[in-house]
Amino acid sequence: GAVVSQHPSRVICKSGTSVKIECRSLDFQATTMFWYRQFPKQSLMLMATSNEGSKATYEQGVEKDKFLINHASLTLSTLTVTSAHPEDSSFYICSARDPPAPEQFFGPGTRLTVL
Amino acid sequence: AQKVTQAQTEISVVEKEDVTLDCVYETRDTTYYLFWYKQPPSGELVFLIRRNSFDEQNEISGRYSWNFQKSTSSFNFTITASQVVDSAVYFCALYAGGTSYGKLTFGQGTILTVHP
Repeated sequence: GAVVSQHPSRVICKSGTSVKIECRSLDFQATTMFWYRQFPKQSLMLMATSNEGSKATYEQGVEKDKFLINHASLTLSTLTVTSAHPEDSSFYICSARDPPAPEQFFGPGTRLTVL
Repeated sequence: AQKVTQAQTEISVVEKEDVTLDCVYETRDTTYYLFWYKQPPSGELVFLIRRNSFDEQNEISGRYSWNFQKSTSSFNFTITASQVVDSAVYFCALYAGGTSYGKLTFGQGTILTVHP
């Protein structure tokens, strides 16, 4: 149980294009999903928390207009990187939580490379 | 504010050695949870264990064991008879009751390399 999928696993795009990453909880309903960014050899940096049916809560310093998050259903959240630039290249990881359990279950991650 | 410190940035051992990964946390909440996650080279974080602040019993799962000590705010992780497949980055994380929507505070991670 507690499986989270993420798609795509790897994407390469040109500067200026937008990229959408999907995060799905496969066997449970995730009221809350989280989006992280991870740079090489570093810890996870929380970007935003999304709750089904409401606006995402962004962490300080994260541009909400650049990183659009939608949590339209209890099993799906999407992160859209708009007008991507090379500095947006990173490993993006989503996680989902099945309250009241406190643990988060993570997707396999998406490696984004912006040329 | 919550804080998790994993002082060991990298650890290198030879197969079959025992290894302990340290984790020290800070929180003012009396109700909190501690976690360990494993991140193998593939990148996906794998949940290993959860401990709540009211349960100080140590836990053993196969070659893995965890030592939770509230007196020293530590939640250390020991791998007995390490194997090459244990090579990964290990993260300790904290969830405190006052955190909205269950946000986790992660440590910086410890890179464990097990050599054959």
